[in-house]
Amino acid sequence: GENVEQHPSTLSVQEGDSAVIKCTYSDSASNYFPWYKQELGKGPQLIIDIRSNVGEKKDQRIAVTLNKTAKHFSLHITETQPEDSAVYFCAASIVNYKLSFGAGTTVTVRA
Amino acid sequence: DAGITQSPRHKVTETGTPVTLRCHQTENHRYMYWYRQDPGHGLRLIHYSYGVKDTDKGEVSDGYSVSRSKTEDFLLTLESATSSQTSVYFCASYPGQGGEQYFGPGTRLTVT
Repeated sequence: GENVEQHPSTLSVQEGDSAVIKCTYSDSASNYFPWYKQELGKGPQLIIDIRSNVGEKKDQRIAVTLNKTAKHFSLHITETQPEDSAVYFCAASIVNYKLSFGAGTTVTVRA
Repeated sequence: DAGITQSPRHKVTETGTPVTLRCHQTENHRYMYWYRQDPGHGLRLIHYSYGVKDTDKGEVSDGYSVSRSKTEDFLLTLESATSSQTSVYFCASYPGQGGEQYFGPGTRLTVT
């Protein structure tokens, strides 16, 4: 099955700086790459996703890039704010209904 | 959150006892899932359902069974709980055809 690796496992950034989380996947047939944010005590929530026919997607302060050749994709958060502190998960999917998740990145934004 | 609820939200049980967790969704989504979340492992799929009475195994299905008798309900059963099943369990639902998976609030299960 699909194997997704996520780095780093923890990330501490100064408020206003950028944060970057990177994921690699194993199956070149994967074509859907969502990112989820999990706040303390809650379930994960989709924040952005990208499909294999697109190289980059932006939504306000967050962006995702995809390199199909290298089989990796990244989440970029600019101008970080305290409310960006959370656990972030990447995922990959060959079929839309079955996701394989990375191990997660705990992001802490220092005031 | 697509109207997904989980019950109970917290449970402590003893090794060897049966445990059933319930997931309920109000969006008429076709697919439903059970994941477990453990430090260093992210979210791992236990079982999923692609319709009433249609289920399939995920990557960590040993020791777990599921049932789906109605579109809105998906039950996860631990026939004989073990300490290795101490975890946070998340239910999710997915409408199909390019939508997104929506997660419930989670159930923290402790097996002593």
